[in-house]
Formats: sequence, C-alpha cells, structure tokens
Amino acid sequence: DVKVTQSSRYLVKRTGEKVFLECVQDMDHENMFWYRQDPGLGLRLIYFSYDVKMKEKGDIPEGYSVSREKKERFSLILESASTNQTSMYLCASSSTWDFSSYNEQFFGPGTRLTVL
Amino acid sequence: AQSVAQPEDQVNVAEGNPLTVKCTYSVSGNPYLFWYVQYPNRGLQFLLKYITGDNLVKGSYGFEAEFNKSQTSFHLKKPSALVSDSALYFCADLGKGSTLGRLYFGRGTQLTVWP
Repeated sequence: DVKVTQSSRYLVKRTGEKVFLECVQDMDHENMFWYRQDPGLGLRLIYFSYDVKMKEKGDIPEGYSVSREKKERFSLILESASTNQTSMYLCASSSTWDFSSYNEQFFGPGTRLTVL
Repeated sequence: AQSVAQPEDQVNVAEGNPLTVKCTYSVSGNPYLFWYVQYPNRGLQFLLKYITGDNLVKGSYGFEAEFNKSQTSFHLKKPSALVSDSALYFCADLGKGSTLGRLYFGRGTQLTVWP
C-alpha cells in the first residue's frame, strides 16, 4: 500500500519559533510537494521538488523554505513562525510522468499547525 | 495560465438522489483534469482523471466525470448519493511547460448528503 506520512498530525508553536514539518514517502517517487490548505482558498502550493536537492517555488513560498536531502524525505521549514502561518499543511508525492501516463499525487494525512 | 473553478462552495443532496459537483477549466490546449476527495481530518484521495480518450471517465467509489470541451467543464457525478459521500471535493488541472507536473486546485466544494 502506498504511503505518505507526516511527522505530526497536530502541532502548536509560538511566534518566532523555527518549525520543521517532515514528510516521508515509501513509493520511491521522484516528485514531492508541500501545500497549505485554508478554508475558502483550497490548496495552495508552497514548494515542490523534482529530485534530491532540487526545489521549485510554488505560489506562496514567502516565509517558508524546504530541504530534500534524500529521495524519500521532503521537509518544510518555517524559519520564524507567524500567526498567519496557522494552517493545515499537506505533503504529496508522485512518480515521474509523461502525458500518456500521468500518475496522480498521493497525499499524507496533513499537519494542523497552530502558531500562537 | 492553468486554472480551474468550482462555482459552488456547497452542494446538498438527499441520499439516493443523483449528485453533481461542478468544475470548469480555462487552460489553453488540451487539459489534464483530476478530481480528489477529502474526508474529515484526512488527506486528499484521488478519485479519477481525464488525460485523453473517452469523455466519460469512471473512478473510485462509483463516481464518474464527464469532460465537455465545448462547455469547458469536467463535472463530477454519481447516480445515487450515499451519506458516506459527504466530503470536500477538489477539481485540479495539470501544469504544462515549465510547470509540468504540478497540480492547480480549485477552492473545493463541500458535499453534504443527508439521510
């Protein structure tokens, strides 16, 4: 069974703290993604990665950074957490694609982060 | 630019009735479209996709979606709704060119099926 796991389901942090959200996939997928989900805004892409040590900015990268040192692990880092980063964070992975056989993204269960 | 829209924030339907969750797209060229479902306190689950071929796509849990090029739509349908179908549904389309591989999601539609 394919699996994407995230290090925490719920997390509470204080303003200014450095926060690490970890995501691990066991499917040997090349591509990994970090989204945040807010009511009425849907899913917004923060960063994604096509390969180890590679990263691409998504739509809302400000205030975030990422790290991908190993293929199976993709970390999201909030350098100095702020209250407006309170949200649900979703990680996803997918295999390399071509247009004849695009493979869907598999999602983790999410981390609900509260910044006080 | 890639874009999908879900015009309804909420859809309510009685159990046993047919359901439709709407999605329209505005991507140029041939779109690659997806539906995902999110049950409470869970991550997203893939339902179905349209890449090419038949306009009617069948997916998981008895759902299907119809690709309509003239109306630029990809509505999700099910002939007979179940209470357990109550969830948040997202339409998405696939990026191309320099954004190949990323998905662009709609804002989501909350489906409620009442007994």
